[in-house]
Amino acid sequence: TQLLEQSPQFLSIQEGENLTVYCNSSSVFSSLQWYRQEPGEGPVLLVTVVTGGEVKKLKRLTFQFGDARKDSSLHITAAQPGDTGLYLCAGARTNAGKSTFGDGTTLTVKP
Amino acid sequence: DAGVIQSPRHEVTEMGQEVTLRCKPISGHNSLFWYRQTMMRGLELLIYFNNNVPIDDSGMPEDRFSAKMPNASFSTLKIQPSEPRDSAVYFCASSLSGVQRNEQFFGPGTRLTVL
Repeated sequence: TQLLEQSPQFLSIQEGENLTVYCNSSSVFSSLQWYRQEPGEGPVLLVTVVTGGEVKKLKRLTFQFGDARKDSSLHITAAQPGDTGLYLCAGARTNAGKSTFGDGTTLTVKP
Repeated sequence: DAGVIQSPRHEVTEMGQEVTLRCKPISGHNSLFWYRQTMMRGLELLIYFNNNVPIDDSGMPEDRFSAKMPNASFSTLKIQPSEPRDSAVYFCASSLSGVQRNEQFFGPGTRLTVL
């Protein structure tokens, strides 16, 4: 069974601070996605990484895929209250089939 | 473009009743997933279909749960009989398998409360 561990589980910070959340596994993934989920809604896809060492930026969010394609990180610069939500990573071992989701990091950004 | 559509958005029922959740995937997507989310267990995959065929139902909790996908634009998840421990948010997601690298698009969910 693939297991994705996310840390920290909960994170509460002030507006303007930087933060990093992690997604770790002992399995190699062909692709890894990050999603953000707001209360009362479904998860929304933020990014997909597929190449070891890949770095992608989405405004103030920076995503990195580990060289061995077993782990990933999400760094947020100058967090804003609108970044508040549950961040989920999901990994797949093939391009056709199911993904394994981590338990998520609940981020609260206080104004 | 319409995203994944789920109905109903909220369902409150009594223990023992049958519950049917509905999902319309994004047009053109060929994979459909049913998930359950709770505080205790997080997001759990119940079953997924590829080209309307169930591929993996190992996450279905027990025989009380069943899912069907009669065509490419519709799927149902049925619980009969329902129990209080089935209370959760149920999500449907769809993807274009093999092309979009497992990128899944989620519906808004159905919040189920079994009294």
